[in-house]
Amino acid sequence: DAGVTQSPTHLIKTRGQHVTLRCSPISGHKSVSWYQQVLGQGPQFIFQYYEKEERGRGNFPDRFSARQFPNYSSELNVNALLLGDSALYLCASSFSRLSGNTIYFGEGSWLTVV
Amino acid sequence: DQQVKQNSPSLSVQEGRISILNCDYTNSMFDYFLWYKKYPAEGPTFLISISSIKDKNEDGRFTVFLNKSAKHLSLHIVPSQPGDSAVYFCAASAQGNQFYFGTGTSLTVIP
Repeated sequence: DAGVTQSPTHLIKTRGQHVTLRCSPISGHKSVSWYQQVLGQGPQFIFQYYEKEERGRGNFPDRFSARQFPNYSSELNVNALLLGDSALYLCASSFSRLSGNTIYFGEGSWLTVV
Repeated sequence: DQQVKQNSPSLSVQEGRISILNCDYTNSMFDYFLWYKKYPAEGPTFLISISSIKDKNEDGRFTVFLNKSAKHLSLHIVPSQPGDSAVYFCAASAQGNQFYFGTGTSLTVIP
């Protein structure tokens, strides 16, 4: 069975540009979360979506937005990129958002802002 | 405000011996805990979980212990193998909400 898939795997953007990252969850999983990981830190929560609705948002500026589609795939959008947005962006899926649900990560999208 | 802490940035262990990785948390509402292993240039791989209603969970060479009164959990790997060399993250959540991650412990298993 396919795990969580993310695209693109690597990308380089210029300050001020916009980026869209995509994620397909594990088949049957209805919840998708996005995390940002910078070097030397653990993943930081950005968004959680369940049944196409935003269920949680981390401490990130409004330049970050996301959505979930009817097939449960998801997009993360970041506008007006800053150098500090350079990071590994991880998508995770889980069956539901109830307590006790493990989240499974994709390989991530490496974003470099120059 | 770091709600989950891994105070040891690195750990070295001889092959065949036990590796013990520690994690502390501050939020008493956390009810589900996870451990992940991460290799460079890869996403985190789920290892083992534990619910707050348990104090131990075992899966092969991996055992997680939870001490709720101390707000502490640990991951034991026995016996340690060179392929276990990676960065290990603990994570915690409350009532199905976001997971909070520690900063990771880099484990090196020496052959």
